[in-house]
Amino acid sequence: NAGVTQTPKFRVLKTGQSMTLLCAQDMNHEYMYWYRQDPGMGLRLIHYSVGEGTTAKGEVPDGYNVSRLKKQNFLLGLESAAPSQTSVYFCASGYSGTEPTDTQYFGPGTRLTVL
Amino acid sequence: AQKITQTQPGMFVQEKEAVTLDCTYDTSDPSYGLFWYKQPSSGEMIFLIYQGSYDQQNATEGRYSLNFQKARKSANLVISASQLGDSAMYFCAMRENSGYALNFGKGTSLLVTP
Repeated sequence: NAGVTQTPKFRVLKTGQSMTLLCAQDMNHEYMYWYRQDPGMGLRLIHYSVGEGTTAKGEVPDGYNVSRLKKQNFLLGLESAAPSQTSVYFCASGYSGTEPTDTQYFGPGTRLTVL
Repeated sequence: AQKITQTQPGMFVQEKEAVTLDCTYDTSDPSYGLFWYKQPSSGEMIFLIYQGSYDQQNATEGRYSLNFQKARKSANLVISASQLGDSAMYFCAMRENSGYALNFGKGTSLLVTP
C-alpha cells in the first residue's frame, strides 16, 4: 500500500499564481486533513473533510480552498499565492475522526515557495 | 494559549542509551488523545505512539513508550536503546474530543551520537 501520497513534492510559484496540491490515500479513510508547517513550528490545520463531498475550515483557512469529490482524494487550492503561503504542506488521513485517539497518518509533504 | 509545550529544543543521547522527551499539555476537555510523531531530515511525519486520556496503562510500541501522568498533564516519550536512526525532530500532539485538529508542539530535535 502506498498510504498517503502527495503531488507535487516541490513547487515554486510567483505571487498571484494559482496551483492545486493533490492528496491521495488508499487506506479507505473517511477523514482527510491539510496542514501547513512553518519553520520552528508544529503543524497547523488548514482545512479538513469528514467524508466525500464535505469540507470544513481549520485553524488557518484564509487563502486556501479545498475539495473532496472522491473519497480517496483531497485537493488544496491556492487561488492567488502570496509569500506568506511559503510553507511545507502535509496531507493526512484517518479511518475515523469520532474518537480523539483516532490516528492521523501523514503524507510526505509538499514544499512550496512563493516568490 | 499554547496547548502543547515541548521545553527541550534539542537533546543529545549516546547510542544504546535511553532518552526522555518532555511534553506537557493543556486542556479542559476530559476526553483527548496524545500522539508522538517523528520527523527525520527527509521531512515526512511518522506516527510513533498514542495515548488516550482514559487509558489506565502507559502506551508502548517497541522501543517507544509514553509516560502518561494525567494529574501533571504530561505525556513524555521514552525511547529505549537509542539508535543512530532515531536522530530526528519529535513532535508531541494532542487532539481534543471537541475538535478535529491535532495541536502540535514546536518539537524537540534529538541527536543520537555513536
